Amino acid sequence: QVQLQESGPGLVKPSETLSLTCTVSGGSISSYHWTWIRQPPGKGLEWIGYIYFTGNTNYNPSLKSRVTISLDTSKNQFSLNLSSVTAADTAVYYCARACSADSCPFDYWGQGTLVTVSS
Amino acid sequence: SYVLTQPPSVSVAPGKTARITCGGNNIGSKSVHWYQQKPGQAPVLVIFYDSDRPSGIPERFSGSNSGNTATLTISRVEAGDEADYSCQVWDSSSDHPVFGGGTKLTVL
Repeated sequence: QVQLQESGPGLVKPSETLSLTCTVSGGSISSYHWTWIRQPPGKGLEWIGYIYFTGNTNYNPSLKSRVTISLDTSKNQFSLNLSSVTAADTAVYYCARACSADSCPFDYWGQGTLVTVSS
Repeated sequence: SYVLTQPPSVSVAPGKTARITCGGNNIGSKSVHWYQQKPGQAPVLVIFYDSDRPSGIPERFSGSNSGNTATLTISRVEAGDEADYSCQVWDSSSDHPVFGGGTKLTVL
């Protein structure tokens, strides 16, 4: 059974960089889109970006200038860096998996981690 | 960019049928996925590729997609079905996933 688990600080100061890691267990990190999705309190899901196992990335245009997603296949982990955060970046951050074929769903999700941006 | 529109809320009595819509320009030409999210929990895939059900999802959950509207149908609604439901497609022009704003299903 594939499991995803987010980890990282729950509190980040404004203007600093939010850094999260997702650890994948129970399956290979190959051949999937490894994705970050967030959900501000009381709002809907927002796609942040994904990384393919080859290292190719694709980011939400509204966040692209501040986002970096990287992959560590040796540790079966992928990571999110979001720079210059503001209160608007306060959200539950999820990591998720989608297959690389056409129009795949997100079939596995992490439990989510709340990140609050505050001084 | 592609936009998906869902009603903010739907209410239904127990035992009745709930229908949650997801509107988008020619959405019938795309594959639609539906997620259920209960408070404090991660989303769970309940319908994929318009009408397929993952293992473990009750047959009461079904989906359809045609024209400009996709629909998630929940038959014989139970109290445990109360949750937020979100639709999702891939915008083929940008290879980006797109989510609808979510619909809160209330069981009366």
